[in-house]
Amino acid sequence: DSGVTQTPKHLITATGQRVTLRCSPRSGDLSVYWYQQSLDQGLQFLIQYYNGEERAKGNILERFSAQQFPDLHSELNLSSLELGDSALYFCASSVAIRGNQETQYFGPGTRLLVL
Amino acid sequence: AQTVTQSQPEMSVQEAETVTLSCTYDTSENNYYLFWYKQPPSRQMILVIRQEAYKQQNATENRFSVNFQKAAKSFSLKISDSQLGDTAMYFCAFMKRRETSGSRLTFGEGTQLTVNP
Repeated sequence: DSGVTQTPKHLITATGQRVTLRCSPRSGDLSVYWYQQSLDQGLQFLIQYYNGEERAKGNILERFSAQQFPDLHSELNLSSLELGDSALYFCASSVAIRGNQETQYFGPGTRLLVL
Repeated sequence: AQTVTQSQPEMSVQEAETVTLSCTYDTSENNYYLFWYKQPPSRQMILVIRQEAYKQQNATENRFSVNFQKAAKSFSLKISDSQLGDTAMYFCAFMKRRETSGSRLTFGEGTQLTVNP
């Protein structure tokens, strides 16, 4: 158990809908990362938050948004869902030491299926 | 931008034998980490081992060790005494450590390792 929790584990929804994925980082970790794993794109970085602020953005679609709350949990919002958004979405967290980020630990993932 | 390449999509090994997975990367950074993560059929991403670029000594974790060649930008994983539970997809990953520009992981395509009884 990495200490990172994600809910829900599975999500089945229809095209055009909106869903919210939730992540709680390990105790003490200020950074949260979101990754998407799909069959055709592999593992791709979406976005990073550090202590409530967006720190880095990757290949995140405009239909997707995220935020990190004061208690450090994070939510990834996916809207106007398309079939191609079906994927495994991971959250990871890490601690920063003297300005450097340390190892990222992953949650169990949320499996999203868009029908 | 960083790139990570794993040239072996699939590998197999007999139980109790040794196997080496290859990884090469490209970067202009000096302060970075390299990782191997495994993803078993449960799809959980599990950290196997990490290497800090400034350390010349190769990292070791029990049956897992790496051969880190910084000049060649090569980072291979050796699994000794392979066990059935080692069957998984293995991902090589790169991460810059400088906080100011973000610290995303860049992954290779993965190597599916099968340990045969």
